[in-house]
Amino acid sequence: QKEVEQDPGPLSVPEGAIVSLNCTYSNSAFQYFMWYRQYSRKGPELLMYTYSSGNKEDGRFTAQVDKSSKYISLFIRDSQPSDSATYLCAMRPNTGNQFYFGTGTSLTVIP
Amino acid sequence: EAGVAQSPRYKIIEKRQSVAFWCNPISGHATLYWYQQILGQGPKLLIQFQNNGVVDDSQLPKDRFSAERLKGVDSTLKIQPAKLEDSAVYLCASSLDRAVAEAFFGQGTRLTVV
Repeated sequence: QKEVEQDPGPLSVPEGAIVSLNCTYSNSAFQYFMWYRQYSRKGPELLMYTYSSGNKEDGRFTAQVDKSSKYISLFIRDSQPSDSATYLCAMRPNTGNQFYFGTGTSLTVIP
Repeated sequence: EAGVAQSPRYKIIEKRQSVAFWCNPISGHATLYWYQQILGQGPKLLIQFQNNGVVDDSQLPKDRFSAERLKGVDSTLKIQPAKLEDSAVYLCASSLDRAVAEAFFGQGTRLTVV
């Protein structure tokens, strides 16, 4: 079983839709949870990170962590064509070293 | 603030040749990571440095891959000899410290081994 599971999509939505992206994980030691956005042929760009459980909001983006279910989500409100990219979840233990990434979900927002 | 710089952006080599990638992290960042991202997959850690010391190289294929971070700033990742399965994007990332959650990535070097 992989440490982090993420549906690769592709996901296609109309402009203005609410997008939900999700990851599940198996390692209960994970404490830091991150979402990266990766445009084609670019490096991953950090969108948000959350420590432990709870919600975090930044503009149109909301990150949720449910440690009891080992499930994290990223919601994008009022999606824009510029949001079209691959979204990677990543997580790490509280005192661990490396980040464990999901495989990424490809999102296309259609004008 | 300048981001993580990597070069070259693209490289095509024949199998069994050698290749080197360079990374300049964000100024002041003590932790530097090299990741390998195969097409359609998430990045996989190859090696992590804290200043000029290696923290984690458990997933680095040491028979062909090597990396160094002299003086705790720039880093070089080398592959010798390259195999077809090494075709991937090699991403360098840095963070202020290993205990800090955020890591910032460079644009990557896309390696094609033919």
